[in-house]
Amino acid sequence: DAGVTQSPTHLIKTRGQQVTLRCSPKSGHDTVSWYQQALGQGPQFIFQYYEEEERQRGNFPDRFSGHQFPNYSSELNVNALLLGDSALYLCASSRGTASSGNTIYFGEGSWLTVV
Amino acid sequence: GESVGLHLPTLSVQEGDNSIINCAYSNSASDYFIWYKQESGKGPQFIIDIRSNMDKRQGQRVTVLLNKTVKHLSLQIAATQPGDSAVYFCAENERTGANSKLTFGKGITLSVRP
Repeated sequence: DAGVTQSPTHLIKTRGQQVTLRCSPKSGHDTVSWYQQALGQGPQFIFQYYEEEERQRGNFPDRFSGHQFPNYSSELNVNALLLGDSALYLCASSRGTASSGNTIYFGEGSWLTVV
Repeated sequence: GESVGLHLPTLSVQEGDNSIINCAYSNSASDYFIWYKQESGKGPQFIIDIRSNMDKRQGQRVTVLLNKTVKHLSLQIAATQPGDSAVYFCAENERTGANSKLTFGKGITLSVRP
């Protein structure tokens, strides 16, 4: 049983460019959340998707957008990249929300470097 | 064993000793708490969780204690091993209506001395 998988694992982009990161949730999971983790910090919630809709959003600008597909996989898009967007982007999946009693698992992340 | 709050960045313990990592959470309405272990260059790895209707939960070599009165969470690792060296995060599940999200603490580095 594959866990949460993310791609690419590492990438380098130039300031002003756009990036798309991808996530496949753990088998049987339908809820996907994205987190940004700056070096030396804890993960920060970006947004959460369920039933192909954004259910909740953290304190991130509109340059950050996402999508969930019918197979529950998800994409995170970041436009007009800034140097400060350099971070580890983590995808987490669960069956429903954690409040319904289901554990949240994380992928290994995508390391984004903006130069 | 030694204990330290998350405001201190590093905990150093002798191999074989017990480790205690403490965490203060912020939202009294949080209903679910998780401890994650993160090794260098990897994503957070689930260790153990606890729901707000419990005050203690045990796993293999790990125990989580929850004190809702003072909004305090701790992770106890028995017989700490070199493979336990990593950054540890506590996370609280904050609910907003039917939705929820995880809010993480700043993390603490556990260093195990051979």
